[in-house]
Amino acid sequence: QSVLTQPPSASGTPGQRVTISCSGSSSNIGSNTVNWYQQLPGTAPKLLIYSNNQRPSGVPDRFSGSKSGTSASLAISGLQSEDEADYYCAAWDDSLNGRRVFGGGTKLTVL
Amino acid sequence: QVQLVQSGAEVKKPGASVKVSCKASGYTFTSYGISWVRQAPGQGLEWMGWISAYNGNTNYAQKLQGRVTMTTDTSTSTAYMELRSLRSDDTAVYYCARYGGDYWGQGTLVTVSS
Repeated sequence: QSVLTQPPSASGTPGQRVTISCSGSSSNIGSNTVNWYQQLPGTAPKLLIYSNNQRPSGVPDRFSGSKSGTSASLAISGLQSEDEADYYCAAWDDSLNGRRVFGGGTKLTVL
Repeated sequence: QVQLVQSGAEVKKPGASVKVSCKASGYTFTSYGISWVRQAPGQGLEWMGWISAYNGNTNYAQKLQGRVTMTTDTSTSTAYMELRSLRSDDTAVYYCARYGGDYWGQGTLVTVSS
């Protein structure tokens, strides 16, 4: 049971816009920033969004993040086949002397 | 460029210990902590803990307290994660990551099997 809640799956067709939600609480998303990661099969997670809505260099602007209260979301516009991957949200949690918490992951399928 | 290079795959018997290394390069090692995250087969990401490369302070996930030890060697810019009393459900890919996860190692598969 993950501390952050994500839908297990999402899908879309090429060119579409999809969003993935991430729900937490006041001790994590409510008081800390959110990162999003993309994990392609057999590879390490890759940072996609940091500090709620910032993109690292090299990440296409098709990817965007937002946060409101105790929830966050990742949006992918102009969906491409190579976006098919697992996506995870993460945040620091102020309980138990600080810990990193993750969502359970969302498998994105490009139809 | 920032790189985290981990040690190779391990196969261990139940009850044994494993020590995974993570060698950092491309940045000042003592300026960032190192987090350890594991991923069981077909499962999501699980945070194991964090160590400050500056002063060695640690914070471990509650479920692993007493079985895990994280250390660093600043002379070689290497972080280590040791997990003891291994069980079959410790079988996973173990990742190191810089602090909150802006850079990740390639992962180390640890298989626990009799």
